Amino acid sequence: NAGVTQTPKFQVLKTGQSMTLQCAQDMNHNSMYWYRQDPGMGLRLIYYSASEGTTDKGEVPNGYNVSRLNKREFSLRLESAAPSQTSVYFCASLSGALAFFGQGTRLTVV
Amino acid sequence: KNEVEQSPQNLTAQEGEFITINCSYSVGISALHWLQQHPGGGIVSLFMLSSGKKKHGRLIATINIQEKHSSLHITASHPRDSAVYICAVLYTDKLIFGTGTRLQVFP
Repeated sequence: NAGVTQTPKFQVLKTGQSMTLQCAQDMNHNSMYWYRQDPGMGLRLIYYSASEGTTDKGEVPNGYNVSRLNKREFSLRLESAAPSQTSVYFCASLSGALAFFGQGTRLTVV
Repeated sequence: KNEVEQSPQNLTAQEGEFITINCSYSVGISALHWLQQHPGGGIVSLFMLSSGKKKHGRLIATINIQEKHSSLHITASHPRDSAVYICAVLYTDKLIFGTGTRLQVFP
């Protein structure tokens, strides 16, 4: 099935633990994005990748790292999770016409 | 300052009403997207605009590049249209979102 696959759907971490959110798209899109969504704030851009091999910071990059492993995959890593990173995370990819989104990851840091 | 502003933040309508959601932006863009986020959280792309107007079923989206403004219209609204509608702009390879408009349509 064409689309954006994002894993996991849910995760609970303890403060200081690390984890990687995975995102893959099979539509041959150049541009991929990671967002976080917090109540009342809309989606905020964490990092983006305009093409394979390039990544750039968005509005809220602190505490995160990304890897554009190949054209299909764009992962988001939390090296040392903090309660402030409790949020819903979305991966997206963009063609010339439409944006496609993963199902979201609900992350809770305790 | 947000690059993308939407209004209203919340909107309540009776079934059958004509609905307008507005989006203003402050940067030079290459495209504007309208998206829908369902109560379950999934996000679906509705339109991509770079100029003019697009229509899909009961949804109509317009953009005025000179005025940096776009509108999403829903004709003959229905309770199943209840969702959050989000405007996003593409500039310098970044896709930046507005905070969304929560629409509730009552029977």
